[in-house]
Amino acid sequence: EVQLVESGGGLVQPGGSLRLSCAASGFTFSSYEMNWVRQAPGKGLEWLSHITSASGTIYYADSVKGRFTISRDNAKNSLFLQMNSLRAEDTAVYYCARGGVYFDFWGQGTLVTVSS
Amino acid sequence: SYELTQPLSVSVALGQTARITCGGNNIGGKNVHWYQQKPGQAPVLVIYRDYNRPSGIPERFSGSNSGNTATLTISRAQAGDEADYYCHVWDIHVVFGGGTKLTVL
Repeated sequence: EVQLVESGGGLVQPGGSLRLSCAASGFTFSSYEMNWVRQAPGKGLEWLSHITSASGTIYYADSVKGRFTISRDNAKNSLFLQMNSLRAEDTAVYYCARGGVYFDFWGQGTLVTVSS
Repeated sequence: SYELTQPLSVSVALGQTARITCGGNNIGGKNVHWYQQKPGQAPVLVIYRDYNRPSGIPERFSGSNSGNTATLTISRAQAGDEADYYCHVWDIHVVFGGGTKLTVL
């Protein structure tokens, strides 16, 4: 069974940093492209970043470029999102999602709250 | 940047057919994917590449895409279909529509 489990969310002050993790199981992680998507409270989905299977190509949304860094460790079946210079508007549930063209499995998300 | 436009809400009577649209410039030339999200849950892929259903998605869910509009059609709507629905394409980057809240009356 495919499973994606996010962790690392929590309360952080504006300007702070967090590192999110996504633990994958039930499939050959190293063969799949991966993504981070977030959803602010009461709002729609916002794609953040995409990484190819061997980390050869990475894309970012303009809203997080230069502040967030996606990475992966295929040996540990894990996806990461390093988030720096956090702002109140980064408050959201953060999901990892499997796929390149479309996202066929999603984790349950981890909540990040940016507040003083 | 590329934009996708969805109606904020769609209502359908129980057992009838719901149609949720996703508008974009020449969207017919792109692959469109659809996700269902129920309150407090993660999104679930219901249609990929315009009209394909993943394993486990009922045949009541179908999709089409032509011109400037892609459509998700839900036949014989059930109470359990109440959810937010999002369309998705790749342009330069990933683009999601704003989402449509489906209400089954």
